[in-house]
Amino acid sequence: AQSVTQLGSHVSVSEGALVLLRCNYSSSVPPYLFWYVQYPNQGLQLLLKYTSAATLVKGINGFEAEFKKSETSFHLTKPSAHMSDAAEYFCAVKETGGFKTIFGAGTRLFVKA
Amino acid sequence: DTAVSQTPKYLVTQMGNDKSIKCEQNLGHDTMYWYKQDSKKFLKIMFSYNNKELIINETVPNRFSPKSPDKAHLNLHINSLELGDSAVYFCASSPQGTGMEKLFFGSGTQLSVL
Repeated sequence: AQSVTQLGSHVSVSEGALVLLRCNYSSSVPPYLFWYVQYPNQGLQLLLKYTSAATLVKGINGFEAEFKKSETSFHLTKPSAHMSDAAEYFCAVKETGGFKTIFGAGTRLFVKA
Repeated sequence: DTAVSQTPKYLVTQMGNDKSIKCEQNLGHDTMYWYKQDSKKFLKIMFSYNNKELIINETVPNRFSPKSPDKAHLNLHINSLELGDSAVYFCASSPQGTGMEKLFFGSGTQLSVL
């Protein structure tokens, strides 16, 4: 069965600092991997996705993630945090050719002025 | 022009009542989902329909019954509501394809059972 683990339920950074949100996946077949963001009182929206075309994936709002098969990781980064980045971030995995998207427990990002 | 719309946005009700949440998508997608998000933000898939056919039915109490009258609509009916049903329920949709397609989420229905 596929699963994702997000390390750290809360991450706090200063404005302008590097953002690093960690995600490890478990899958017996090459997975599709996603990062979604949820702002308060809203639904989730896609930041970026990995579909095997390239290991370094660039997304919206300056975020990017690198797929590392040897580490089974798909960590999300942003070079310089902005106050507007404060939100809940979810890593997700989807069965290849399947319908079910499985989400990690989420990481709440706090950005300090 | 909301892509995935849910109603109502807030639902406050007493234990034992029956309630429904409606979802509509205007994206032409084939697949629709219901997810439950608990107070710790954990998201769990409940159901999925593909072209009006139930394809995912997770371990959910049978008090929860989804209905898809057409592929643009997926409703969720809950009987005999319990305190533990309090959560945010999200509808989502995606096109059918290879599996790499993203989910489009509604803005959620916050259900509070008193």
